[in-house]
Amino acid sequence: DAKTTQPPSMDCAEGRAANLPCNHSTISGNEYVYWYRQIHSQGPQYIIHGLKNNETNEMASLIITEDRKSSTLILPHATLRDTAVYYCIVRVRGNQAGTALIFGKGTTLSVSS
Amino acid sequence: DADVTQTPRNRITKTGKRIMLECSQTKGHDRMYWYRQDPGLGLRLIYYSFDVKDINKGEISDGYSVSRQAQAKFSLSLESAIPNQTALYFCATSDPGQGTDTQYFGPGTRLTVL
Repeated sequence: DAKTTQPPSMDCAEGRAANLPCNHSTISGNEYVYWYRQIHSQGPQYIIHGLKNNETNEMASLIITEDRKSSTLILPHATLRDTAVYYCIVRVRGNQAGTALIFGKGTTLSVSS
Repeated sequence: DADVTQTPRNRITKTGKRIMLECSQTKGHDRMYWYRQDPGLGLRLIYYSFDVKDINKGEISDGYSVSRQAQAKFSLSLESAIPNQTALYFCATSDPGQGTDTQYFGPGTRLTVL
């Protein structure tokens, strides 16, 4: 069963912030929220992850609600090269029992000029 | 990511043929994975390996086998290819000792079984 729910598609104007939502209402206390993206048919690329605090790196920011049931990935200044499928994934970090990333269908973000 | 390479990048074969897809990494990671992706769908795990002596089945291992020849090499074999194994195949590596436990993916192999 899917652990996350994402909108199938979103549009964003170049230079604007892209806010990608993710619902993970059944997340467990030891599960992290990870975001990956896949450009065309390339291998998925790690973006960011977090447990309960907001996180920021050179690519994006991750905002997690206080109850941890949802999160938002923010690309502050989207460019055409950010057009991709974005996957929100919840998993235990470094667990021993299997470390598969469970990919849903993700959100297709289209950035236009 | 150039640190994870896959060969071949594209392959067309016929039903019943034996096919091997190879993955090599220079990241020094112990954990390696094979995923397949069908059009419009997310990736699904075929096999994974925690180290050279450890092999584990994933969600969809039927019809596939793997070999971990060394820390840096993890091969996926289709003993007798069938058309519904036509897909995009990705290899990945990770090091749970790192803070992010990130998985790093190769560029993929596009396999077509006629």
